Formats: sequence, structure tokens, C-alpha cells
Amino acid sequence: NAGVMQNPRHLVRRRGQEARLRCSPMKGHSHVYWYRQLPEEGLKFMVYLQKENIIDESGMPKERFSAEFPKEGPSILRIQQVVRGDSAAYFCASSQTGTSGSYEQYFGPGTRLTVT
Amino acid sequence: AQKITQTQPGMFVQEKEAVTLDCTYDTSDQSYGLFWYKQPSSGEMIFLIYQGSYDEQNATEGRYSLNFQKARKSANLVISASQLGDSAMYFCAMREWETSYDKVIFGPGTSLSVIP
Repeated sequence: NAGVMQNPRHLVRRRGQEARLRCSPMKGHSHVYWYRQLPEEGLKFMVYLQKENIIDESGMPKERFSAEFPKEGPSILRIQQVVRGDSAAYFCASSQTGTSGSYEQYFGPGTRLTVT
Repeated sequence: AQKITQTQPGMFVQEKEAVTLDCTYDTSDQSYGLFWYKQPSSGEMIFLIYQGSYDEQNATEGRYSLNFQKARKSANLVISASQLGDSAMYFCAMREWETSYDKVIFGPGTSLSVIP
């Protein structure tokens, strides 16, 4: 899992600011997943993307949150007008395929967002 | 309804002893995968072991083994010869290949403390 890169590792934002979290998948992986971990809880699925496509965003809040995975460059999770409840660890994972052909998702180290 | 249940919020084990972490799951899919991840205090998610629903033998990876009881829908993790470095949060997770092949569904986790 060392191959999935996330930055920044720690991000502090004031209420109302924007947060941008970046994820570079493992080499050769074209599927990216974002998860959120609130304090003392397990990870919750947010969104699944392939290059230039959002495949499943059923776990993403309808407002203020957006994600993209452009043809070139990292995947971006963007949170607009952050609130204190957005404080969490945000994990990115990548896999070669989205189906049982490659079952494992490799996780990045996470970005810890703190909203003050 | 909870898809993944981990009934032990916290566990203690003596160093060098074996410990079993419980996990039960709920799915109507015939094809699914079960995972265990370890999250040490540093925060990263470390993949430990995988069991496919059609795998006839229990999965093993070094000191980790998965006690898979399909009829009871349980997938307990057994750690043999516990080490101090095993102290961490442990998450049971599932991918349903038929209904939600993309996302990993996590349980709430079990905190394991290894006592010297």
C-alpha cells in the first residue's frame, strides 16, 4: 500500500474555507476510491472513480463535496465551505480493476483534515 | 441494517498467545469477498487477509488466519503468537461482487491491545 500517495497528510482549515485532498493511485491502477473515517469509527465509502468518470458517488454528501480523477494528474476530493463536522481522516484507495478480477484495494496513508 | 458487525470494541491478549477477533456479515449476494485490515496508531490501513465466498479453505497469511463459517456468516480473524506490534485497530470488511462491487464496506472495528 506504500504506492498510493496522498497529500497533504495533515490539513487544517477554518470554517468556510475550501479543502483539497489529492490522491495518486499506485502505478498501473486506474480505479480510485475515497473513504472517510470519523473519529472512533470505521471507514465509510464516499466515491468511486475511474479516469474522467465518476462511477459511484452514493456515499458522497450531496452538497459541498465533489471528486474528480482527470486524465492526467491525481484524483482530487474537494470540500467547499468546510464545517467542523468535516473533520476526519480521508483515505484514498486504488485497484487495478473494479471487479473481483483484482479484489484488493490498496490504501494510501490518509489525509487528516481538521476544521477549526 | 449493519452489513458488518464487530461485537468486541476492545480486546486484550497476552503476548505470545492467540486471539480471535469476531466478525459477522450480512449479504444476499452469493459472490462476495471478506477482508481484514489493521490500522495502527500511525493511521495507515494495512491489508491482512482475504477470503472469497467460494473459497473452500480458510485463508491463512503467516500468523493470520480467517475462520470462515459461511452458513453462520462469520469471518473471524485469528492471530497466533501475538506480538506487541499487533496492538492496533482491526477492521473487518466486505465487497459484494453482485450488488456493490466497487465499494468496501467496513465494520466499526476492534481495538486490540497486546500485553507484555
